[in-house]
Amino acid sequence: KQEVTQIPAALSVPEGENLVLNCSFTDSAIYNLQWFRQDPGKGLTSLLLIQSSQREQTSGRLNASLDKSSGRSTLYIAASQPGDSATYLCAASGAGSYQLTFGKGTKLSVIP
Amino acid sequence: DTGVSQDPRHKITKRGQNVTFRCDPISEHNRLYWYRQTLGQGPEFLTYFQNEAQLEKSRLLSDRFSAERPKGSFSTLEIQRTEQGDSAMYLCASSSPQTANTGELFFGEGSRLTVL
Repeated sequence: KQEVTQIPAALSVPEGENLVLNCSFTDSAIYNLQWFRQDPGKGLTSLLLIQSSQREQTSGRLNASLDKSSGRSTLYIAASQPGDSATYLCAASGAGSYQLTFGKGTKLSVIP
Repeated sequence: DTGVSQDPRHKITKRGQNVTFRCDPISEHNRLYWYRQTLGQGPEFLTYFQNEAQLEKSRLLSDRFSAERPKGSFSTLEIQRTEQGDSAMYLCASSSPQTANTGELFFGEGSRLTVL
C-alpha cells in the first residue's frame, strides 16, 4: 500500500526566501507525482505534475523534482511571497490505478 | 467559470439524517472522482467513475455511502444515517480523455459536512 509523507508539517519563512518542501513515498511504482495547493476551506489547485518518466517540471517560480529510486519529490519555491501562504499537498498515482494517495501536507506561512 | 462545481458548499445536519452532495464536472470530462478530507489530513480516495460506470471504490465507502453518475455527466454522493465521524470535506475532481495519459485532475471547491 502506497504511503506518502510530507516534511515539515509546517514552515514559516520571511518574504523573499527560497524554500524546499519535501515529499516521500514508499512504492516507487508510481504513474505520476502531483503537487497541489490548498487555501483554507477551499479545494485543491494543481501546481505541477511529474510523470514517472520525467525528472522535473517547472512553472514560474515553482520547480518540482522526482527521484523514483529514492522515493522522493521536492517542491522548490523561489523568492517566496505572502500570497504563497497555503497548504501544499503532494500525491502519488499508482500504475494501473486511478487513485491518488496524498500526504498530509505542509502548511507554509510567508511573513511579510 | 467552467470549473468543477459542487453543491452545497456547506451542510450541517443532525446525526442519523441522510445527506446528498452533487458534483458537476468540467464539460467534456468523462472521468469523475470523489475524495474525502478530514481536518489536518490529506484527501482520501472514495470512488471513481468513467462515464456512468463506477470502476473503482475504496474500502472507506461503507454501505451507508452511495455514489451515482446516471448519465455520465453530474454525480451525486449520498450518505445515509450520518455519523459524527462523517464530518469532513467531500471533494470532487474530474479529468478529460486528453489528460488521461498524464493523470491530471481538476478539483472543485468541496462540500463541507458537519454532523452534530
